[in-house]
Formats: sequence, C-alpha cells, structure tokens
Amino acid sequence: EDQVTQSPEALRLQEGESSSLNCSYTVSGLRGLFWYRQDPGKGPEFLFTLYSAGEEKEKERLKATLTKKESFLHITAPKPEDSATYLCAVQKHGGATNKLIFGTGTLLAVQP
Amino acid sequence: ETGVTQSPTHLIKTRGQQVTLRCSSQSGHNTVSWYQQALGQGPQFIFQYYREEENGRGNFPPRFSGLQFPNYSSELNVNALELDDSALYLCASSPDPGSRETQYFGPGTRLLVL
Repeated sequence: EDQVTQSPEALRLQEGESSSLNCSYTVSGLRGLFWYRQDPGKGPEFLFTLYSAGEEKEKERLKATLTKKESFLHITAPKPEDSATYLCAVQKHGGATNKLIFGTGTLLAVQP
Repeated sequence: ETGVTQSPTHLIKTRGQQVTLRCSSQSGHNTVSWYQQALGQGPQFIFQYYREEENGRGNFPPRFSGLQFPNYSSELNVNALELDDSALYLCASSPDPGSRETQYFGPGTRLLVL
C-alpha cells in the first residue's frame, strides 16, 4: 500500500537552531516528491519538487534532498517566521490522475 | 499567491444539508483536484477533473460529486452532510494530469457541520 510517513510530528526549535524533517515513503513508481508549507487555516504553499534520488533543491534557509526511500527538509538557522506545518507528498507513475498522497505533516515552532 | 481562488472561505451547515464549494483554477491550468483535510491530518484526494470530465476518484462516497466548467473552474458538491465532513476543503490546479507539474493550492474552504 502506498504510504507517506513524516517525522517528527512536532518540533520546537530555538531561533538559529538548525534541524531536519524526515519524509519516508513507500510507493510503486515515484513520479515526484513534493514539499509544501501550510500556515494555520490556509492552503498548502509549494516549496520544492524532487524527481530522482540524489537530487537537492534549496530556497533561502530550506534545503530538500531525496533518496530512494526518504526525503529530508533541512532548515538552517530558522527564524520565527519559519513556524508552520511542513507537508510531504508523493506522486506515482501511471494512472489517469496526478493525485498527491500526503503525509500528516510536521508542525514546526521556532521560538525567538 | 497562486492564482487559485476558492469560495466561500467559511461555511456552517447542519447534518443532512447539501453544500456547494467553488474553485477557480490558475490561468493556463485545465486540471482541478479536490482534497479534504481534517484537523491535524494531511490532505486526502477526493477526485480530479480534466477537461470537464472526472478522471479519477479517491475513497469517498458518491454523495461527494463535482463539476468542471468550460473555463476550467470547478464545483464540489456534498449531499447529506455528516458531522465527519467537517474539514478544510482544498482545490488544486495543474496544467495536465499526465505531467509532473506542480499542483498549486487555493486558500481552502473551512466547512463546519453541526
């Protein structure tokens, strides 16, 4: 069964304290892995797409990496405005749709 | 901002009622997907519309139905509302269901069923 598992469920960091969020996946034929940021009561905001193992992408304090079984979202020197829920989703090859299969997210709180 | 809009932003209904939610896709996108996000959970795929036809459905009952119009905007209809239908309903647009293109989400509609 296709599955996406994110850990930890919640993470509290001090401003400037770097850390990583994990997304492990089990899917037959990965087309792409997506990271989104979601603020409370809002829609997910796109961050990154990764397509193949070994790929890395960066944006400001965030860096996403991909292996054959998992992805990491590294946060370097976070600021309070980075506080949000970070969602990971996968897209499979085949089928009629490009639907996303999401994990339950990691709730990140960055304290000043 | 993504250019995907949804209305209304909030809605309160009672059990057994029917509701219609609306979504306008981003310019140039002909594919709209709907997701349900319960509190503390990740979004769950409801169905997808491509060129005015439903081309895929998740594990949701038939009382969840939809439409897509020639301008690619879309509606989600839910009949016989149940308490468990309380959630954030998200629509996402993308250029083509066969591509690896990113899906961009709207702000969502928060539905509360009493």
